[in-house]
Amino acid sequence: QVQLQESGPGLVRPSDTLSLTCSVSGYSISRGYYWVWIRQPPGKGLEWIGSIFHSGSTHYNPSLKSRVTISSDTSKNFFSLKLSSVTAADTAVYYCATFHGAPRFEAFDIWGQGTLVTVSS
Amino acid sequence: QSALTQPASVSGSPGQSITISCTGTNSDIGYYDYVSWYQQHPGKAPKLMIYDVTNRPSGVSNRFSGFKSGNTASLTISGLQAEDEADYYCNSYAKTKTPYVVFGGGTKLTVL
Repeated sequence: QVQLQESGPGLVRPSDTLSLTCSVSGYSISRGYYWVWIRQPPGKGLEWIGSIFHSGSTHYNPSLKSRVTISSDTSKNFFSLKLSSVTAADTAVYYCATFHGAPRFEAFDIWGQGTLVTVSS
Repeated sequence: QSALTQPASVSGSPGQSITISCTGTNSDIGYYDYVSWYQQHPGKAPKLMIYDVTNRPSGVSNRFSGFKSGNTASLTISGLQAEDEADYYCNSYAKTKTPYVVFGGGTKLTVL
């Protein structure tokens, strides 16, 4: 079955760039689907960051668009998130997710376990 | 873009039914039939409960049902069970110049 696993630094300094990777097993990301990043600040709700389609096209949250880049490496079967100029407000659990079975843009039935990223000096 | 509006909390007793509302705009819920609902227990990743307004993924209990009218979607849980106590989030496809996804602020369900 499809499984997702986030990885990356748990601590990022203010004004630096947050970089995370989502490793995908059980399915080739080049075959299909949207591959998505979502975050959740401690004690708060979910926020869609953006997505990358299997073709490589990307869509971003308008409120984060100027700072976000999502890319993929089909040879290693992972996709990545870069968020620049981070502040304490970017402290959150970051999830990668997808919908298995069809290219759904807004529904996500497979999630990684999430990784906490803290922005602090 | 604004988040979808959900009540902060709802509660019900075991066996009862509850409904959680999710209000959006003509740019999201009111225009597209792409509303999903997620259940999240503390410390866990969200779980998809409903997609495309009314569809249940395989394995999700038929006690969970979705509906939409105008700019408001709703999730109904019938026959409440203790394990239903969790946070619930709605989301919707949205589009202005480009497509994006908007989430609700979340609703804490307490089973009394």
